[in-house]
Amino acid sequence: AQSVSQHNHHVILSEAASLELGCNYSYGGTVNLFWYVQYPGQHLQLLLKYFSGDPLVKGIKGFEAEFIKSKFSFNLRKPSVQWSDTAEYFCAATGGGNKLTFGTGTQLKVEL
Amino acid sequence: DAGITQSPRHKVTETGTPVTLRCHQTENHRYMYWYRQDPGHGLRLIHYSYGVKDTDKGEVSDGYSVSRSKTEDFLLTLESATSSQTSVYFCAITQGAREEQYFGPGTRLTVT
Repeated sequence: AQSVSQHNHHVILSEAASLELGCNYSYGGTVNLFWYVQYPGQHLQLLLKYFSGDPLVKGIKGFEAEFIKSKFSFNLRKPSVQWSDTAEYFCAATGGGNKLTFGTGTQLKVEL
Repeated sequence: DAGITQSPRHKVTETGTPVTLRCHQTENHRYMYWYRQDPGHGLRLIHYSYGVKDTDKGEVSDGYSVSRSKTEDFLLTLESATSSQTSVYFCAITQGAREEQYFGPGTRLTVT
C-alpha cells in the first residue's frame, strides 16, 4: 500500500534556527509530492509541490524541499525559522492520480 | 482562497443521529474530497467525487455516504453518528487529477 511517513512528530526550535522536516514515501513509478501547513485553528495551505523537473522546489514563505528519488524522500527545509512558522506541517503524495495520502504531521513550535 | 465553504463549522450531536455536512465551491472544480483529521493520523480520505453523481470511496469510508447532485455541492452524511466519528472534517477541491488540492475551513464535529 502507498504510504507517507513523517518521523518527526514534534519539533521545537529557537527563532533563527534552521529547519529540516523529514518525509519519506513508498510509491512505485510516478509520484507527485506536496507539503501543506496548518496554522493553529486554520485549514491546510499549500506550501510547495513537486511534479517533475528540478528536484529542488521553492515554495512560499522561504520554504524549500528536495526530492531525492533514490531515498524516496521529500524533506522540507527553511534556513531560518520565525515564531510565525509555528504550525503543523503535513507531507502528502499521490501516485499520479488524484488520491492524496498524507503523513501524520509534524508539530513545529518556534520559541522566541 | 479557493472559494470553498463548509457548513456547519461546528456541530455537536448525539450518538445514533444522522448528520450531514456540506461543502460548497464557487469555482466549478471537477474533483471534490472529504477528509477527516485526527491527532496522530494526519488527514485520511473518506470519499471523493470526480463529477456530478460520480463518487468513490477513500480509505476510511465505513459509516459515511456522499452525494453530489450539483457541481458546486458535495455532501457528507453520517447515517448514524458514533463517538468514533468525532473529528474535524475538511473538504478539498482540485480542478485536475494531478493538481494540488485546496482545502476548506473545516467542520468540527463532536458526537456525544
